[in-house]
Amino acid sequence: KAGVTQTPRYLIKTRGQQVTLSCSPISGHRSVSWYQQTPGQGLQFLFEYFSETQRNKGNFPGRFSGRQFSNSRSEMNVSTLELGDSALYLCASSGQQGREAFFGQGTRLTVV
Amino acid sequence: QKEVEQNSGPLSVPEGAIASLNCTYSDRGSQSFFWYRQYSGKSPELIMSIYSNGDKEDGRFTAQLNKASQYVSLLIRDSQPSDSATYLCAVNYNQGGKLIFGQGTELSVKP
Repeated sequence: KAGVTQTPRYLIKTRGQQVTLSCSPISGHRSVSWYQQTPGQGLQFLFEYFSETQRNKGNFPGRFSGRQFSNSRSEMNVSTLELGDSALYLCASSGQQGREAFFGQGTRLTVV
Repeated sequence: QKEVEQNSGPLSVPEGAIASLNCTYSDRGSQSFFWYRQYSGKSPELIMSIYSNGDKEDGRFTAQLNKASQYVSLLIRDSQPSDSATYLCAVNYNQGGKLIFGQGTELSVKP
């Protein structure tokens, strides 16, 4: 069974640009969550999608948005990039509410 | 603000010893608890989940949950150098997909 796949693995962007990250969950999993990981703040929850609907949202500005498609694949978009957005962005998929979540390899975003 | 607290570490143990990692959480309504292992430069890997009070064993790993004390722990028996990593405690408090993570405890197992 394939795991969670995130693309791309690495990105370098310039301040002010926007970026889109992609996540394909484990087959059969309908919940996809996104997290930001930085050395200073640790792992922080961005949002969760379930059956194409945003079910939970973290405390991030509106520049961070996401969506989920009918095949459960999810995308995350960050607009007007800031230097502080440099981080490892992780996607996790889960097959049951409140149960185990499995992470993808992550996308390392560097904003210069 | 729902919080998860872990010993900051680093925790250093000799090879073959028991490593004990601790975590406390603030929300009494929390139902699901997880331990993830993260090697440097890699993504978190799920190693244990626990949902009810008591102990849960899986190989060299034992998770312990005490909801009354709002406390979760992970014991690693016969620690190996390959266990050297950061261990993250995560709590799901609303049965949705939102996990709240602790800051992680860095474990170093010395040969």
